[in-house]
Amino acid sequence: QQQVKQSPQSLIVQKGGISIINCAYENTAFDYFPWYQQFPGKGPALLIAIRPDVSEKKEGRFTISFNKSAKQFSLHIMDSQPGDSATYFCAARPMDSNYQLIWGAGTKLIIKP
Amino acid sequence: NAGVTQTPKFQVLKTGQSMTLQCAQDMNHNSMYWYRQDPGMGLRLIYYSASEGTTDKGEVPNGYNVSRLNKREFSLRLESAAPSQTSVYFCASRAISYNEQFFGPGTRLTVL
Repeated sequence: QQQVKQSPQSLIVQKGGISIINCAYENTAFDYFPWYQQFPGKGPALLIAIRPDVSEKKEGRFTISFNKSAKQFSLHIMDSQPGDSATYFCAARPMDSNYQLIWGAGTKLIIKP
Repeated sequence: NAGVTQTPKFQVLKTGQSMTLQCAQDMNHNSMYWYRQDPGMGLRLIYYSASEGTTDKGEVPNGYNVSRLNKREFSLRLESAAPSQTSVYFCASRAISYNEQFFGPGTRLTVL
């Protein structure tokens, strides 16, 4: 069964620090890797995404790093702010399915003021 | 635009009761999804509808049925609720040419 393993389960970072969340996958047949952000009581929302032909993508303070050979991708949040406190999910889309995503278990991020 | 709407927001059922969770989107999206979210388990796909008139099982379909009523609406039915179905349920939709899934605000369901 295809899996995406996400770590850590929870993370506490001081304001202004760098938050790093990691994901690893076990199957090479993925073609799209999104990160979703979820605030309490809300549905997840797309934060940033990357395709496997790119090693890094940056949008403001958020960066995805992708290591195809290691089958790993990570989310870096620079200058973390209390408003970034949320649950973050990584996901991967199988190449043979245009419709489904395989989701990581989520990371609860708390930014301390 | 309201995006993706879900009703109800909260529901408490007794074991064996039935109910239907409603989902509607006003973005003219072709694909719609039902997920359940449980602590430490992320989002698990129950059913999805790639386009109007089609539905397919996801990872955890047992105990659920779905209906794609029209392009806008996708409902999830629990015929005989069980405590294991206590969860937060999310509906999502996606346009055919884009990767992003748009989520509703969720329904928190408790089965006693």
